[in-house]
Amino acid sequence: DAKTTQPPSMDCAEGRAANLPCNHSTISGNEYVYWYRQIHSQGPQYIIHGLKNNETNEMASLIITEDRKSSTLILPHATLRDTAVYYCIVEATGGTSYGKLTFGQGTILTVHP
Amino acid sequence: GAGVSQSPRYKVAKRGQDVALRCDPISGHVSLFWYQQALGQGPEFLTYFQNEAQLDKSGLPSDRFFAERPEGSVSTLKIQRTQQEDSAVYLCASTFRSRQYFGPGTRLTVL
Repeated sequence: DAKTTQPPSMDCAEGRAANLPCNHSTISGNEYVYWYRQIHSQGPQYIIHGLKNNETNEMASLIITEDRKSSTLILPHATLRDTAVYYCIVEATGGTSYGKLTFGQGTILTVHP
Repeated sequence: GAGVSQSPRYKVAKRGQDVALRCDPISGHVSLFWYQQALGQGPEFLTYFQNEAQLDKSGLPSDRFFAERPEGSVSTLKIQRTQQEDSAVYLCASTFRSRQYFGPGTRLTVL
């Protein structure tokens, strides 16, 4: 079973920031928060991941609450090409864990002109 | 460089037919995953390879499913005696620095 809860769908206006929430209240200390997205008819694409500190890269920002029970993915200036299913995943990596991803239902983000 | 490639992109099989799906990972990637994605669902784990060793096959739904990676690079997922419930997109991913790089998938339709 997926360890995360996401809203099934969200809308965003083009050019605005898209803020996608994720709850992961049972996250363990060695589990990372990963975000992937899947554009229609393509394979999932890695976006960003983090453990406890906020992270930013060229695609997005990841804000993780201090208690690590929830996080928010921020797309700062959404474009029509950002329309996709966004998956929030918590998984342990390193050591004896090899990083198998457990996908949930994700959030369908629709960016409108 | 080139990403993960999969072939064929589409496969239509008659029920009972055997199929073989190929995955070419990114060169040098040690870890390789197979996932199955039913329509409207998120991908589900099937199996995992580290080089040529299949370390986890707990997600394979039945003994009709078999995967191999004999030389630690290209991998093949074989499904014997296909059934209608096998219809799905089969995704392959290779891993580097905790990131999985997915191929475009093979859409299998069993009639």
